[in-house]
Amino acid sequence: AQSVTQLGSHVSVSEGALVLLRCNYSSSVPPYLFWYVQYPNQGLQLLLKYTTGATLVKGINGFEAEFKKSETSFHLTKPSAHMSDAAEYFCAVSLNTGANSKLTFGKGITLSVRP
Amino acid sequence: EPEVTQTPSHQVTQMGQEVILRCVPISNHLYFYWYRQILGQKVEFLVSFYNNEISEKSEIFDDQFSVERPDGSNFTLKIRSTKLEDSAMYFCASTGQPGSYGYTFGSGTRLTVV
Repeated sequence: AQSVTQLGSHVSVSEGALVLLRCNYSSSVPPYLFWYVQYPNQGLQLLLKYTTGATLVKGINGFEAEFKKSETSFHLTKPSAHMSDAAEYFCAVSLNTGANSKLTFGKGITLSVRP
Repeated sequence: EPEVTQTPSHQVTQMGQEVILRCVPISNHLYFYWYRQILGQKVEFLVSFYNNEISEKSEIFDDQFSVERPDGSNFTLKIRSTKLEDSAMYFCASTGQPGSYGYTFGSGTRLTVV
């Protein structure tokens, strides 16, 4: 079984400030971890993923995330926020079992960027 | 870049009516999924499908729901008798390999039951 916890529902930052969106997971086997972004009235776009290998993964639009097994975390960061980053961000986990593993989402965090 | 295509983008239906939501997964993908997102809530798993059968389904996916891959390209979700609480955004997703390849989502169908 797997689950994702995204604490808080809303983060607000100033343009140019650091973005930090937190994600913790629970998984009975080694996980695959993902961040998806959803812009208003649009679908889910993959930002980045961790499968195996390097624990620091880089994604699109300047985002990156670090897998920390000891902390069961996969926090998303971006050094400098841009107005266009305003969206809903979802952390998700699937299981590394080789079987048909579904994706389980956290409840999402809304990121607002102030001018 | 290959896309997952969903039609229609919006559908309004009367309570009790049947609806079919359509998806065209990426052509070489073998694993298919339906998710839903009620307005303002998290994205919830409904069902996964592989090798022409359901692999897993959630408790949401009751007897009112069914999925089908009628041909080599389409993947459909049918709701037999819609309820008001079925109003949501429904997303289709596909992957070539669960987990490691990532999951590609369609743009969704917004279903409104009135």
